[in-house]
Amino acid sequence: KNEVEQSPQNLTAQEGEFITINCSYSVGISALHWLQQHPGGGIVSLFMLSSGKKKHGRLIATINIQEKHSSLHITASHPRDSAVYICAVMDDKIIFGKGTRLHILP
Amino acid sequence: DTEVTQTPKHLVMGMTNKKSLKCEQHMGHRAMYWYKQKAKKPPELMFVYSYEKLSINESVPSRFSPECPNSSLLNLHLHALQPEDSALYLCASTLAGGTDTQYFGPGTRLTVL
Repeated sequence: KNEVEQSPQNLTAQEGEFITINCSYSVGISALHWLQQHPGGGIVSLFMLSSGKKKHGRLIATINIQEKHSSLHITASHPRDSAVYICAVMDDKIIFGKGTRLHILP
Repeated sequence: DTEVTQTPKHLVMGMTNKKSLKCEQHMGHRAMYWYKQKAKKPPELMFVYSYEKLSINESVPSRFSPECPNSSLLNLHLHALQPEDSALYLCASTLAGGTDTQYFGPGTRLTVL
């Protein structure tokens, strides 16, 4: 069983839809990252969470430490949000999820 | 300056070549990382430097040789690579390591012929 599971693996939605990407993990962590990777490679760190909720523009990330679960939400999705979203958990090392490939149709 | 730069962007090399990848940051970060990423897979940690000392080597073959000449620079020397080493090589840095936010470079896409 993978230590970090993301769902869904792939998601196609229409522009404007509310998007939720989930991340569950089985190890003890001290922080969790949500990362965005566009085609071509560059990775951008969106959020680092250790508790509660963070919001940046149209992006919201939440984490429930007791349930070992985090979600990334995108409101009013746009084609430029199309990317791979990766959940990574951190304790003494970083463990990446396999990513969720998001495609927003205009 | 919140940027991690990597050069070159693309590299094609033969199995007998020697080449180097370069990573640079001027954020005063003291931990720097090399990751390897195959297509449609998450990044895999290769090496971590902390305060210019190698702190983690994830059992990477010796044909990959990291070097941290100073706190702003991280190199990855490549020699006698195999075609299966073709991948995107990502560099990242954090303020002091641990659970600090990682800042990623754009990556070097390496093709080994």
